[in-house]
Formats: sequence, structure tokens, C-alpha cells
Amino acid sequence: AQSVAQPEDQVNVAEGNPLTVKCTYSVSGNPYLFWYVQYPNRGLQFLLKYITGDNLVKGSYGFEAEFNKSQTSFHLKKPSALVSDSALYFCAVRVVNTDKLIFGTGTRLQVFP
Amino acid sequence: NAGVTQTPKFQVLKTGQSMTLQCAQDMNHNSMYWYRQDPGMGLRLIYYSASEGTTDKGEVPNGYNVSRLNKREFSLRLESAAPSQTSVYFCASSTYSNQPQHFGDGTRLSIL
Repeated sequence: AQSVAQPEDQVNVAEGNPLTVKCTYSVSGNPYLFWYVQYPNRGLQFLLKYITGDNLVKGSYGFEAEFNKSQTSFHLKKPSALVSDSALYFCAVRVVNTDKLIFGTGTRLQVFP
Repeated sequence: NAGVTQTPKFQVLKTGQSMTLQCAQDMNHNSMYWYRQDPGMGLRLIYYSASEGTTDKGEVPNGYNVSRLNKREFSLRLESAAPSQTSVYFCASSTYSNQPQHFGDGTRLSIL
């Protein structure tokens, strides 16, 4: 069965420091992977995706993610965190041969001034 | 450019009441989705529609029905609301499987 895991409920980081939000997946075949961000009382907003190609994917707001096939991971990263990055982050994987996504349980990122 | 529009934004129901959540998208997307978001559980797919006239069950369909009225609109109906259906409901749409889903801002539903 396909699945995605976000092992950390919350990540705390100081402003200006690098941040990583972890995601691992289990899927048969080649994965389509996505990261979304959710601000309070809003819907999910797309950050970036990996379909094929370079393992390092760049997305919105300075975020990037590294696809690692051997470790089945797709961690979200940013070199220098901002207080405004504080939000809920979701990793998702596409169900093979469908348009459906399976979402992780989310990681709350807290960036402290 | 409205994107995905959900109505209402908030609703309080009594157990046993019925209601329909409305969703419309103006991006000419083929696929539309209904999710519920509960604390610590992420987003769970309730129903999904790959195209006008087709619907399919997701992970948690019990207690819900859907209608894909046309390409733009996809509604979610609770026939007899239960407290366990208290949640935030999100509608989303997409084109192809390698493209991201676009989300509305949600309907916050409380069932007493």
C-alpha cells in the first residue's frame, strides 16, 4: 500500500537558521511527490513537486526539496528561515495510475525571532 | 481569478440535520476532490471525481454523498449529520496527475 510519513509533529527553528521538514514515502513505481503549506484558516497552497529529473527541486518562497530514491525521502529545506514561514506543511504522494494524493499528517513549523 | 470557491465558510448543525457543501472551480480542471482535515490526521479523501459525470469513493466516504453537477461544480452532501463529522472540509481541483491540486479555503463544520 502507498503511504507517506512525516515523522515530526513540530519543528522549531530560529530565524535565519536553515530548516528541514522530513518526509518519507512508500510507493510502487516512480513517485510523484508534492509539498504544500497551510496558513491559519486557509486552504493548502502548492510549494513544489518532484515528477522526474533533478533530485533537487526548487519551489516557491525560497523552499527546495531533495528527492532521495534510495532512502525513499523527500525532505523540504530552506537555507534561511523567516518568521513568516511558520505554518503547517504537508507532504503528499500520488496514488499510482490515478489523480489522487495521499497526504502525510503534517508538520507544524515554528520559526522564532 | 477566483480559483476554487467553497460555500459556506462556516456552519453549525444539529445531529440528524442535512446540508450540502458547495464547491466551484474556474480553472477548467477535470478532476475535483473533497477532503476532510482533522487534527493529527492530515487530509483524508472523502470522494473524488475524475471528470463530469463520474465519482469515486476515497478513504472515508461513509455518511457522505457527492454530485458532480458539471465540470465546474462538485458538491458534498451530509444526509444525516453526526458529531463525528465535525471537521474542516476542503475542496480541490486539478488537471493532470503531474500537476498540483488547487484548494479552496475550506468549510468549518460543527455538528452538535
